[in-house]
Amino acid sequence: DQQVKQNSPSLSVQEGRISILNCDYTNSMFDYFLWYKKYPAEGPTFLISISSIKDKNEDGRFTVFLNKSAKHLSLHIVPSQPGDSAVYFCAASGVDSSYKLIFGSGTRLLVRP
Amino acid sequence: NAGVTQTPKFQVLKTGQSMTLQCAQDMNHEYMSWYRQDPGMGLRLIHYSVGAGITDQGEVPNGYNVSRSTTEDFPLRLLSAAPSQTSVYFCASSRGADTQYFGPGTRLTVL
Repeated sequence: DQQVKQNSPSLSVQEGRISILNCDYTNSMFDYFLWYKKYPAEGPTFLISISSIKDKNEDGRFTVFLNKSAKHLSLHIVPSQPGDSAVYFCAASGVDSSYKLIFGSGTRLLVRP
Repeated sequence: NAGVTQTPKFQVLKTGQSMTLQCAQDMNHEYMSWYRQDPGMGLRLIHYSVGAGITDQGEVPNGYNVSRSTTEDFPLRLLSAAPSQTSVYFCASSRGADTQYFGPGTRLTVL
């Protein structure tokens, strides 16, 4: 049973608009959440993270929201740019064990010019 | 500073063959991990190490061995390759319980 789920395999958004990527988790022991971005033929690169003591974290155009009661997090990208087109993975772990990540299956984002 | 390097980039094996996937990092990170990525399944943790001489199993350890004799290197061994081990393998490292940095991956095909 998948502990971290990304139910949308793909998302297409117009350049300049907002992209919203969603992630759900089932394990209430998770208290640290990350988003990674992956281009083809490259390894994942870290994008943004949030710990369970917060409900929002911002870094430039990227914002992650955490709803612990719903076991749901989302990544907002605004404004979206064509260079954001990639696969985005949600991942979770204990806050002291982020070297043991549980990943979702990924969402492929396409930003149309 | 090369970060995390992996060799080879591509490998084709026959069922039953053995091989070692190499991973090295030059950031003096204590923590290193191996993941595999399969279509529609994201990345799954195979083995990890919290320091030289210390390794432990992740979600999908069967069929793989690891060792960590130095801080820099964390090789992954397939003793008898099976078609189910066809996948893309990623090595990652981090300083403590911090953000992981991933290598570029090794694409393995087992015939």
